[in-house]
Amino acid sequence: DTEVTQTPKHLVMGMTNKKSLKCEQHMGHRAMYWYKQKAKKPPELMFVYSYEKLSINESVPSRFSPECPNSSLLNLHLHALQPEDSALYLCACRLWGDTGELFFGEGSRLTVL
Amino acid sequence: SQKIEQNSEALNIQEGKTATLTCNYTNYSPAYLQWYRQDPGRGPVFLLLIRENEKEKRKERLKVTFDTTLKQSLFHITASQPADSATYLCALGAGNNRKLIWGLGTSLAVNP
Repeated sequence: DTEVTQTPKHLVMGMTNKKSLKCEQHMGHRAMYWYKQKAKKPPELMFVYSYEKLSINESVPSRFSPECPNSSLLNLHLHALQPEDSALYLCACRLWGDTGELFFGEGSRLTVL
Repeated sequence: SQKIEQNSEALNIQEGKTATLTCNYTNYSPAYLQWYRQDPGRGPVFLLLIRENEKEKRKERLKVTFDTTLKQSLFHITASQPADSATYLCALGAGNNRKLIWGLGTSLAVNP
């Protein structure tokens, strides 16, 4: 079982909806990540938080808005998404810094109608 | 241009045999390389990390090698089992912020 918990596991939303994806870890890791993964593709980095501060934004459209309320929680707020945003959204954490293994959650499968 | 390539075709092997997966890269100087396993619809699971100054790492039935001259990593699963069937991803840590650069993955099927 993964120690990174993502909710919801599945989400269907219309293009005008506002929803949020949530991620929680109690591993004490200080770097947290959002990845997007399409079928048969590798994970694609979206955002990195380091010590609760946004350190990397991979030029992600503003309809995706990350938030790190504390060292255990990571949110991804979604608004006015497009059908092509449908994908598996993965949260991951790393102990600290920029090396070492990533611990992934099981992902949130998002479908935009 | 920078590129990472894994076995382009899916790999089918018989149970009990050794599976060998390749990860080749060009125009990178990675500080380390990682291998992950991913089952359909689930998040990747870390398997092994090997650093640029290491030639080989082992963990139970898994072995990874790293040849920075050939710019290649090989990932071996010995005594393979049907439960090893999954997609295996290699990821390089390169650049100033050590951002992971992912290969496309290799699908492995172990037949009973």
